[in-house]
Amino acid sequence: QVQLKESGPGLVQPSQTLSLTCTVSGFSLTSYNVHWVRQPPGKGLEWMGRMRYNGDTSYNSALKSRLSISRDTSKNQVFLKMNSLQTDDTGTYYCTRARLPGGFDYWGQGVMVTVSS
Amino acid sequence: DIQMTQSPASLSASLGETVTIECRASEDIYNGLAWYQQKPGKSPQLLIYNANSLHTGVPSRFSGSGSGTQYSLKINSLQSEDVASYFCQQYYDYPPTFGAGTKLELK
Repeated sequence: QVQLKESGPGLVQPSQTLSLTCTVSGFSLTSYNVHWVRQPPGKGLEWMGRMRYNGDTSYNSALKSRLSISRDTSKNQVFLKMNSLQTDDTGTYYCTRARLPGGFDYWGQGVMVTVSS
Repeated sequence: DIQMTQSPASLSASLGETVTIECRASEDIYNGLAWYQQKPGKSPQLLIYNANSLHTGVPSRFSGSGSGTQYSLKINSLQSEDVASYFCQQYYDYPPTFGAGTKLELK
């Protein structure tokens, strides 16, 4: 069955870099787009960026200067790196699979990231 | 970016009641709209896509409608397991954008 699972550190110091991994199973990264979405505590959802099936990437313009998404298809993994973290980057980070023509049909369980010294 | 304005921000309803949540886009999104349910501490779950198509496994008491810039999610015969937050999301144009959410509680 389709699964996505995020992993990464729960605590990051201000100004440091966040590195997250999304490990997928049950589908191929060369057939589906995978997106990253985050959610500050008690707040709404913010789209961060995507890895397309063909390896292209798109980013939220508000995060573009700090964000990088890459993948390793042999390991079924998509990576997120975001630098210069601040306290308002605290939240739960999700990876999610996009269905065609739209909508996100499978989500990881999320990883809570706290930015604090 | 397309702005999604969702209302109400919170809603209290009784078991068996019908509830409606609205979402308004800042421009025509041509039915490129999804609705999600998120229970506390859980990931969002897709309910509706293409504004009115029910995702696999979603109970038929959920329905979506609308066109242009105005969309709604209706829950018939509210059940206790429907207590959650609900979000709309447009995918007609990049970047995908979400409404701020509606928190649904039992009265």
